[in-house]
Amino acid sequence: AQSVTQPDIHITVSEGASLELRCNYSYGATPYLFWYVQSPGQGLQLLLKYFSGDTLVQGIKGFEAEFKRSQSSFNLRKPSVHWSDAAEYFCAVVITGANNLFFGTGTRLTVIP
Amino acid sequence: SQTIHQWPATLVQPVGSPLSLECTVEGTSNPNLYWYRQAAGRGLQLLFYSVGIGQISSEVPQNLSASRPQDRQFILSSKKLLLSDSGFYLCAGGRTEAFFGQGTRLTVV
Repeated sequence: AQSVTQPDIHITVSEGASLELRCNYSYGATPYLFWYVQSPGQGLQLLLKYFSGDTLVQGIKGFEAEFKRSQSSFNLRKPSVHWSDAAEYFCAVVITGANNLFFGTGTRLTVIP
Repeated sequence: SQTIHQWPATLVQPVGSPLSLECTVEGTSNPNLYWYRQAAGRGLQLLFYSVGIGQISSEVPQNLSASRPQDRQFILSSKKLLLSDSGFYLCAGGRTEAFFGQGTRLTVV
């Protein structure tokens, strides 16, 4: 079945530490890939996206993500986490040629001082 | 840039009452439009999406319906709300990527 998987439900990191949030997809074709961030009670903000080309994409707030076709992954990274990064992070995919945007179940990030 | 307007922000409705949530898009034409529901502590469930006026695709069978009367207007409705309809509803829209509204917290009592 087609799916988007975020294996980590909750991650806790210390402020200043590096971060990697995992995302895997299972679709036949290479999808368009996105990472969103959601603060409590708010809508989602787009962090970055991958359509084609360079597999390492830069986003807002110092985030980056790398598309690895062989692993069907699109992991989100940040070299040094700030307390304001605490939020829920969602990976999403759109299958090329289709229009429905599907999300993973999200990863909640807690940042400790 | 694209902006998604969604209202109301919060809503408390009795069981059996009707529902109408409205979403409008600014800054782009002919966007794809989406309605999602987010249950507490869970991910986003795609309810409906639309690629054009009057074109609605439903992802899950449910007590809700959607309509797109204008290019940049997307409405989520119900004739009779159930307790299980409570949740956080998000509208999104865009062409190559989706931008989100601020969400509507619906509580059915």
